[in-house]
Amino acid sequence: DGGITQSPKYLFRKEGQNVTLSCEQNLNHDAMYWYRQDPGQGLRLIYYSQIVNDFQKGDIAEGYSVSREKKESFPLTVTSAQKNPTAFYLCASSIGYRGRVQPQHFGDGTRLSIL
Amino acid sequence: GQNIDQPTEMTATEGAIVQINCTYQTSGFNGLFWYQQHAGEAPTFLSYNVLDGLEEKGRFSSFLSRSKGYSYLLLKELQMKDSASYLCAVASGGYNKLIFGAGTRLAVHP
Repeated sequence: DGGITQSPKYLFRKEGQNVTLSCEQNLNHDAMYWYRQDPGQGLRLIYYSQIVNDFQKGDIAEGYSVSREKKESFPLTVTSAQKNPTAFYLCASSIGYRGRVQPQHFGDGTRLSIL
Repeated sequence: GQNIDQPTEMTATEGAIVQINCTYQTSGFNGLFWYQQHAGEAPTFLSYNVLDGLEEKGRFSSFLSRSKGYSYLLLKELQMKDSASYLCAVASGGYNKLIFGAGTRLAVHP
């Protein structure tokens, strides 16, 4: 079945540690996105990528980094510079823009907590 | 600035109809999306509007008025499983960038 796989489902980080969240899709989508969701708030865009080897900062990129070396994969690293990393992280993908907006489809999310 | 408003909570009765409103003020507009999100789960795409008017998909319909910066999601024949948060999102600016509202938490009662 085609879909978006995020792992792990739950992740714990110690202070000062970097952690990497995995996102893989087999939908052959060009575009991929990372969002952060906090209680009572809307999803906020961290980074997005329209094509392999290219990515752009979203609204809250500070303290995060990404790579897009393969079409299927868009890992997110939460660095020690991110002061409040506890949140629900969602990865999404979509067909490329092509002059018309396209629905984004989401993975099941990773819940990150600080120990 | 960019602003998307939707009610925080709504309640409805099983079998009834409920309308969830969304108003937006964004610097650009390419389309408006509705997602359903059950607690602790990923958002699921429901519907989207690019042009004014009504889009119908089974028990769900979504309406858009671009001149008024307004949309609504209509849920008919409510079922208990429809208890969830409903997220309104606007595609603004270039590419597929979405701006999300905080969501409306809908509780369906017997």
